[in-house]
Amino acid sequence: GQNIDQPTEMTATEGAIVQINCTYQTSGFNGLFWYQQHAGEAPTFLSYNVLDGLEEKGRFSSFLSRSKGYSYLLLKELQMKDSASYLCAVRPAGGGSYIPTFGRGTSLIVHP
Amino acid sequence: DTEVTQTPKHLVMGMTNKKSLKCEQHMGHRAMYWYKQKAKKPPELMFVYSYEKLSINESVPSRFSPECPNSSLLNLHLHALQPEDSALYLCASSQGGPANTEAFFGQGTRLTVV
Repeated sequence: GQNIDQPTEMTATEGAIVQINCTYQTSGFNGLFWYQQHAGEAPTFLSYNVLDGLEEKGRFSSFLSRSKGYSYLLLKELQMKDSASYLCAVRPAGGGSYIPTFGRGTSLIVHP
Repeated sequence: DTEVTQTPKHLVMGMTNKKSLKCEQHMGHRAMYWYKQKAKKPPELMFVYSYEKLSINESVPSRFSPECPNSSLLNLHLHALQPEDSALYLCASSQGGPANTEAFFGQGTRLTVV
């Protein structure tokens, strides 16, 4: 089975930096995804980490530590449009089961 | 083309109605998914089709019936739904198999059962 934990809600100021954490416990691991979802819209892919370390993509970076079962999504130079839910999803290993399981999501509110 | 297209965008149906949700992708993806998402909750996996075969059914009630006519299309047939089935229904696709990476999501169908 899998257990994924993220904070329910975070608030931050426009222009600031925010870090959204995700911890997971899984019987097998084959990568971790971050998705962004605006209210009423579909999730959109942000990042995929399968090896330890930091992956940077513009204003967004994602970090993974497999030994600690831990990831974070770092958002820099926050903009109002970054207000959304951020979903951490873990892809299990093996058995033909490559379907990621979503955490409950972190609702990020960016204020002026 | 990196789009997953879902129709209709909104659907209101009575508990005795029969309706279908449709999903289409032209990215050559061989895995397609149906998710159900209630407000302020993450998407919950319902069904997975891999190479046009149903590979995962997450104990979904039989009033939901998936169909994959070909590798580009995925349908979800609805019959005798309950008001608690009202939700956003998301279709997604991905490459499939061992090379599977991220899933691309459609915009969803907002379903209301009255």
